[in-house]
Amino acid sequence: ETGVTQTPRHLVMGMTNKKSLKCEQHLGHNAMYWYKQSAKKPLELMFVYSLEERVENNSVPSRFSPECPNSSHLFLHLHTLQPEDSALYLCASSQGQTGVDSYGYTFGSGTRLTVV
Amino acid sequence: QQPVQSPQAVILREGEDAVINCSSSKALYSVHWYRQKHGEAPVFLMILLKGGEQKGHDKISASFNEKKQQSSLYLTASQLSYSGTYFCGTEYSSGAGSYQLTFGKGTKLSVIP
Repeated sequence: ETGVTQTPRHLVMGMTNKKSLKCEQHLGHNAMYWYKQSAKKPLELMFVYSLEERVENNSVPSRFSPECPNSSHLFLHLHTLQPEDSALYLCASSQGQTGVDSYGYTFGSGTRLTVV
Repeated sequence: QQPVQSPQAVILREGEDAVINCSSSKALYSVHWYRQKHGEAPVFLMILLKGGEQKGHDKISASFNEKKQQSSLYLTASQLSYSGTYFCGTEYSSGAGSYQLTFGKGTKLSVIP
């Protein structure tokens, strides 16, 4: 399979549950990202990993915990979420993560998360 | 800080042209353009690096005015398949050799027959 694959596509969880979102890329990219997309809001950058090392954490609440075990896989561990965390969570990857030699991002189809 | 896109929405008839603008208050390294159709992932269209270059992609092209920190996306002779939400992403240094890609709120483009 090529591109960026996210699982599950849909997730409903209670506020006391613990779940994980998975992202896998088969493009040989070195950087991976988590974005949150809410209705009528811009895509919000959550975390950036470059060469498996976290380089950005955009003031994301600790109830979201990322993990990047290797350059092909990225996880987002969720626990004690709030209803306002309901959104589409998008994973993306790019060849590199620099400003001068900038690369386009390849996005996955996202996980639609509903917190009840 | 997120870039500002305009217009928020536009409706075109097939064959008409459109321009979508993106502006930032920060010094930029690059501008990205993406299109997202309903229920699908955003798809990368093109990237413009600082230097004022212009790029084209079929009948979709873009320019980057580094002085004004502005980019414009030009869609000519629009087709039904062009419908979707267009996002610009602006890349700037967030310090310590790290860069962030921040997206605008998007411009919803609808092409009708």
